[in-house]
Amino acid sequence: DAMVIQNPRYQVTQFGKPVTLSCSQTLNHNVMYWYQQKSSQAPKLLFHYYDKDFNNEADTPDNFQSRRPNTSFCFLDIRSPGLGDAAMYLCATSRDRGAGTEAFFGQGTRLTVV
Amino acid sequence: QQQVKQSPQSLIVQKGGISIINCAYENTAFDYFPWYQQFPGKGPALLIAIRPDVSEKKEGRFTISFNKSAKQFSLHIMDSQPGDSATYFCAASKGYSTLTFGKGTMLLVSP
Repeated sequence: DAMVIQNPRYQVTQFGKPVTLSCSQTLNHNVMYWYQQKSSQAPKLLFHYYDKDFNNEADTPDNFQSRRPNTSFCFLDIRSPGLGDAAMYLCATSRDRGAGTEAFFGQGTRLTVV
Repeated sequence: QQQVKQSPQSLIVQKGGISIINCAYENTAFDYFPWYQQFPGKGPALLIAIRPDVSEKKEGRFTISFNKSAKQFSLHIMDSQPGDSATYFCAASKGYSTLTFGKGTMLLVSP
């Protein structure tokens, strides 16, 4: 039944060691988003894809990259994780962009940096 | 201009009571105001949403009240239940922009 699936649910990585988080969707939605959510804070948008068009938020660090090889999959790459990158990472999809388009979230990947 | 301010940060309500969470925004161009509900260990899920052309929207026990002149909107949960205990986020967007979230309210409904 899961429509937006994130793997793994929990990821532990070493300081400075590249890590990749994955997201897949069965909704065939055009838009895929990556959010970072730290404890007791609002989700913060890192970037989104509208189809193959990549849209980076102005304040997203260069350390964060993303790939969308096809409609169903999207990856978040953290090139050199720091302690401050420990957070819940949420993937979301929506059929289209724009007001009124519902976003569907995955369960998230909790990243720990040691 | 893009900020959405949410209050309170946390809320404790007795079972059967009314939970009220408030949000305020600055950008008058915002034209879509959803509320998301997030349970521990889960991603947020859309609960209810409103556009500024109406002042109230009700779905079951959940109501959004919208005050365009005051640039405020609120979520009311009637007959609050322990199963409503979660974190609630208000959000706003305009045109083709992405959602701007409030900081969230952690609601605990005591039995």
